[in-house]
Amino acid sequence: DSGVTQTPKHLITATGQRVTLRCSPRSGDLSVYWYQQSLDQGLQFLIQYYNGEERAKGNILERFSAQQFPDLHSELNLSSLELGDSALYFCASSPRVNVQETQYFGPGTRLLVL
Amino acid sequence: AQTVTQSQPEMSVQEAETVTLSCTYDTSESDYYLFWYKQPPSRQMILVIRQEAYKQQNATENRFSVNFQKAAKSFSLKISDSQLGDAAMYFCAYRSAGNNDMRFGAGTRLTVKP
Repeated sequence: DSGVTQTPKHLITATGQRVTLRCSPRSGDLSVYWYQQSLDQGLQFLIQYYNGEERAKGNILERFSAQQFPDLHSELNLSSLELGDSALYFCASSPRVNVQETQYFGPGTRLLVL
Repeated sequence: AQTVTQSQPEMSVQEAETVTLSCTYDTSESDYYLFWYKQPPSRQMILVIRQEAYKQQNATENRFSVNFQKAAKSFSLKISDSQLGDAAMYFCAYRSAGNNDMRFGAGTRLTVKP
């Protein structure tokens, strides 16, 4: 158990809908990262937040957005969902923002878009 | 852009034997970090081992060790005394010292035969 929690574990929705994925980092960690793992794209970095501020952006679509709240939990919002958005979405956390820090991954949220 | 290549989609090893998983990466940077993550059927991403590029000594964690060849841009993972619980997908990852964007390889599925 990494100490990172993600809810829900599974999510099934329809095309065109909007969903919110939630992540609670390890106690004391200030950085949160979001990743998408799909069959065709593999594991991709989406976005990082540090202490409430966006810190780094990867291959995140404009239909996706994220935020980190004062209590440090983070939410990833996916809108206008398409079939291709079906994937496993991971959240990871680290103590601060330094690149040498290890990222600890949560169990993931499996999203299925029908 | 940095890319990570795992040329072995699948590997198999006999229990108690040793297996080596290959990883190569492409970068023009001199300072970076390399990781091996394990993803068992539970889908949780678990850090196996990490290597700082500035360190010449190969990292070791119990039965897991790496062969880091910086000039060749190669970062292989050796698993000694393989156990049934080692069966999983293994991902090699690269992270620049300049940003938090972690790049993953496509993964190698390791099967351990009893």
